[in-house]
Amino acid sequence: QVQLVESGGGVVQPGRSLRLSCSASGFAFSDYSLHWVRQAPGKGLEWVAVISYDGSNKYYAASVEGRFTISRDNSRNTLFLQMNSLRLEDTAVYYCARDRVKWFGESAGAFGHWGQGTLLTVSS
Amino acid sequence: EIVLTQSPATLSLSPGERATLSCRASQSVRRSIAWYQQKPGLAPRLLIYDASNRATDIPARFSGSGSGTDFTLTISSLEPEDFAVYYCQQRSNWPPLTFGGGTRVEI
Repeated sequence: QVQLVESGGGVVQPGRSLRLSCSASGFAFSDYSLHWVRQAPGKGLEWVAVISYDGSNKYYAASVEGRFTISRDNSRNTLFLQMNSLRLEDTAVYYCARDRVKWFGESAGAFGHWGQGTLLTVSS
Repeated sequence: EIVLTQSPATLSLSPGERATLSCRASQSVRRSIAWYQQKPGLAPRLLIYDASNRATDIPARFSGSGSGTDFTLTISSLEPEDFAVYYCQQRSNWPPLTFGGGTRVEI
């Protein structure tokens, strides 16, 4: 079965950096686009970034553009989110999510499977 | 950016009752709406994609309808495990992908 396991969360000071990882199994990793979605404590869901199945396309939410970088290693079935210049408002549970469909075509953009999330707390 | 507005914010119902949740888009999203269920402490789960298609293993009591700017998620007869928060999400015009603010279905 599809499994997505995030790691790397923790407590970090404002302005510092952190890298999240998402280890995947149970599906053809290199066939699917992957997303990061976050949820601040007690709040709703916010899409953060997407990377296409082959890593050639990457898009970001305006709130993280220029600070966060999404990447993937298809040889290790792992997704990453490098987060720099962290702010208090980046505090959230970060979910890794697999797109519902293969590739990166017109049907992409829904989240078919989710990891359990990893908590990032930005605090001084 | 397409803004999704969900209503009501909270729906108070009893098991066995019908739940009707609304999602309105700030501009047409055709039928590119998905619905997710989230229980406390857990990740969201995909229920409906492309407005009316049930995801794998989703019970038939969940149904979606709508097109353009107005969408509805209906739970025909609430089971105890259905009390949760529900989010709509659009993929019509992205990036960014956007979510509604959620509807809490409570007992």
